[in-house]
Order: sequence, then structure tokens, then C-alpha cells
Amino acid sequence: EAQVTQNPRYLITVTGKKLTVTCSQNMNHEYMSWYRQDPGLGLRQIYYSMNVEVTDKGDVPEGYKVSRKEKRNFPLILESPSPNQTSLYFCASSLRDRGADTQYFGPGTRLTVL
Amino acid sequence: EDQVTQSPEALRLQEGESSSLNCSYTVSGLRGLFWYRQDPGKGPEFLFTLYSAGEEKEKERLKATLTKKESFLHITAPKPEDSATYLCADPSHGGSQGNLIFGKGTKLSVKP
Repeated sequence: EAQVTQNPRYLITVTGKKLTVTCSQNMNHEYMSWYRQDPGLGLRQIYYSMNVEVTDKGDVPEGYKVSRKEKRNFPLILESPSPNQTSLYFCASSLRDRGADTQYFGPGTRLTVL
Repeated sequence: EDQVTQSPEALRLQEGESSSLNCSYTVSGLRGLFWYRQDPGKGPEFLFTLYSAGEEKEKERLKATLTKKESFLHITAPKPEDSATYLCADPSHGGSQGNLIFGKGTKLSVKP
């Protein structure tokens, strides 16, 4: 089954403790992206990647890192999480440029930073 | 600042009561516009992509249309299972390839 998977689905952590949220897709997609979703603010793009070893900032990249060493994986790294990073996070992928192709979203990761 | 604005924020309909949702954008050089459906606690699910003014696409009770300034999602004879948040997104923001901007969504509730 074609899908985008994220792990973990739920995470409660404390301020300053480094964490990684994994994202994997099995559709051989070139484009992958991370979003956060907050009440009243909607979905906002954090980082995106047009292909392996190519990443770029979205609208809210501060406090996050990403890497794209393999085509299928696009982990989101929070080096020193803070409470304002408490949010619902989504990973997405599409075959090529998101302007031409459908984006498929993962199920989401609900992160709470205490 | 370039932005995508959706209205209304929330819409309550009776089953069978048709209506429309609006998505307006201020970005010039539109390179397509997406519509997604999102159920609570789940990731957005793709519905439509519209590329040029005058274009229309349909799926079951939904029809999306596009003009030079806005897009509409028309819902005909909705059913309770159509209840969800509907999002539109613009891939043209800032001219940066890959940067996708979402509206805040319209939360639709359809009562039986």
C-alpha cells in the first residue's frame, strides 16, 4: 500500500531533550515536506526537500533541522525542543514538484514539550 | 504579504443543503491551487488541483472552480460524511519552488 508513515505518532518530552520524528514514504517520491498545524494558524511549512541532499526552508524553520540522505526518508530533528514547538506535525510527499503533483500526507505526530 | 484566505471559517448545513466554500489568494502568477479535506486528527487528503481560470473539477458531491482571484468548492446535497475541514493551498508563494501555503480552512458540519 502506497503511504507516508511517521513515528512516533504521539510524543511527550521535556524542554531541551533532543528528539527526532521519522518520516518514510514507499512511493519513490522526490519531493518531501514537513508541516506543523496549530489551532488558529493552520498548516505551516517547516522545511521541504526537492530531492536527495536538497533541502530548503519553509515559513517556520526556526528550531528545526532536517536531512535527506535517502529518497524515502526525511527525518525532522528538534535539537533543543521548547514548549512553543508543541504542535501536530505532518510529513508529506509527492512525485515531483508539489505544483505538479498530488501531495500525500502522513497520519501526523502529536508532540507535547513540557 | 502573499496569503491564502478561506471563508467562512465554519459552516453548518443540514443534510441536502447545498453551499459553497471560498478560497481567495493574493499571489500573482498562480501556478495551480489545491483543495484538501482533513478529518480530525488525520492528515489532509488530496481532493483537486486547478491550474487555470475557468477550470472545473468534480468528485462525487464536490465541484471545485477557479477564477483569477479565487476558487470555490461547491458542495451539492451534502451528507453527514462530508463533515470535515476543507483546506486550500497555493504553491506559488514567494516564487520559491516547493514552498506551499495553506489557508486556515473551513470547518464544515453537516447535520442529518
